[in-house]
Amino acid sequence: DQQVKQNSPSLSVQEGRISILNCDYTNSMFDYFLWYKKYPAEGPTFLISISSIKDKNEDGRFTVFLNKSAKHLSLHIVPSQPGDSAVYFCAATAFYNQGGKLIFGQGTELSVKP
Amino acid sequence: NAGVTQTPKFQVLKTGQSMTLQCAQDMNHEYMSWYRQDPGMGLRLIHYSVGAGITDQGEVPNGYNVSRSTTEDFPLRLLSAAPSQTSVYFCASSSPGQGAWGSHEQYFGPGTRLTVT
Repeated sequence: DQQVKQNSPSLSVQEGRISILNCDYTNSMFDYFLWYKKYPAEGPTFLISISSIKDKNEDGRFTVFLNKSAKHLSLHIVPSQPGDSAVYFCAATAFYNQGGKLIFGQGTELSVKP
Repeated sequence: NAGVTQTPKFQVLKTGQSMTLQCAQDMNHEYMSWYRQDPGMGLRLIHYSVGAGITDQGEVPNGYNVSRSTTEDFPLRLLSAAPSQTSVYFCASSSPGQGAWGSHEQYFGPGTRLTVT
């Protein structure tokens, strides 16, 4: 039972355009969500997060939107750059887990073409 | 700071062999976790620890053992390797942060690529 789902295995966008990566979750206990970025042969690195008391969090070119009623979050990258090409994972957890237990989606491979 | 280190980087085992994947962190983080990454499956949590002496199972714990005798180290043991355990293994650590939600940001090691034949 996949509690966190990224239904698009891959996404290709043109440099300068917006990239939108989507993530759905099923567990209503999840109240904190994170996005990680992963380059080949490296470990994932933290990108941005959002708690359930917010519906938007912004950090430079990266914005995460949370729709709790739909159990859906999305990551917007504007403008997209070739260096953004990587696999992006969304992850979810519950407040009481306090960092010890993240549940990840399958990942979406983003390719930004010059 | 070295961050999270993992050894070895690559390993080939025969079915039935045992081995230990090493993970160490020098950030004094309380929380440590092990994940495996498989194509189409993303990162799946194997075991995690919220402090020395405390461990718990994740999503896919079968075939793996862990212990946490120190804050710094969190080794993952494969008791009898199977081809289904061929994967890339990541160790991660984190620390409780400020505020009601704390910090769930985890720092990952570079991974160990394991092949079981």
